[in-house]
Amino acid sequence: LAKTTQPISMDSYEGQEVNITCSHNNIATNDYITWYQQFPSQGPRFIIQGYKTKVTNEVASLFIPADRKSSTLSLPRVSLSDTAVYYCLVGAPNSGGGADGLTFGKGTHLIIQP
Amino acid sequence: NAGVMQNPRHLVRRRGQEARLRCSPVKGHSHVYWYRQLPEEGLKFMVYLQKENIIDESGMPKERFSAEFPKEGPSILRIQQVVRGDSAAYFCASSPPGSYRELFFGEGSRLTVL
Repeated sequence: LAKTTQPISMDSYEGQEVNITCSHNNIATNDYITWYQQFPSQGPRFIIQGYKTKVTNEVASLFIPADRKSSTLSLPRVSLSDTAVYYCLVGAPNSGGGADGLTFGKGTHLIIQP
Repeated sequence: NAGVMQNPRHLVRRRGQEARLRCSPVKGHSHVYWYRQLPEEGLKFMVYLQKENIIDESGMPKERFSAEFPKEGPSILRIQQVVRGDSAAYFCASSPPGSYRELFFGEGSRLTVL
């Protein structure tokens, strides 16, 4: 299983861009990178997924360098409601079995202040 | 479109009793995952099931815990002879066949053992 490392917590202010980096030095060739967001007392919610370079959706961008040993989740112009825990997962596509890519870790607790 | 439905949302049991947690996946989803989350901790993978099959139960305690996903009906996580340490939030997630690990989570079931 590819192991990930994220900062335990981050602080920022409303209107700022926030970048959360995840290290995954042992990422395998078939592994994808997926980010989830979790609010207190709720289940996690999928944010974005990528394999290489850059992926963007209506919520966030995901930057993956050429060596794929890290990835950065970018949240543009955050608001108070972006205060949550953000998890980075690394694993391979469904191949018929295994818990690969299903380990969440402790995530990054992002706190947005006014 | 109904999301992942978990019930009960809250369950109180005394030590030694049994707890049964149910999860109805998103319609059309054939993969179900159970996670446990202790207060102030990340999500811990427990078990991954497809219809009538346990694919990976590497995260589930060997004793007292069992999971099933029958051909008909919801997935069930069963905890026998509960102890205080079983108090946690239990989250269920589902994913459609062929997708790569985009998990759709329910709101969780919170078990309190007195």
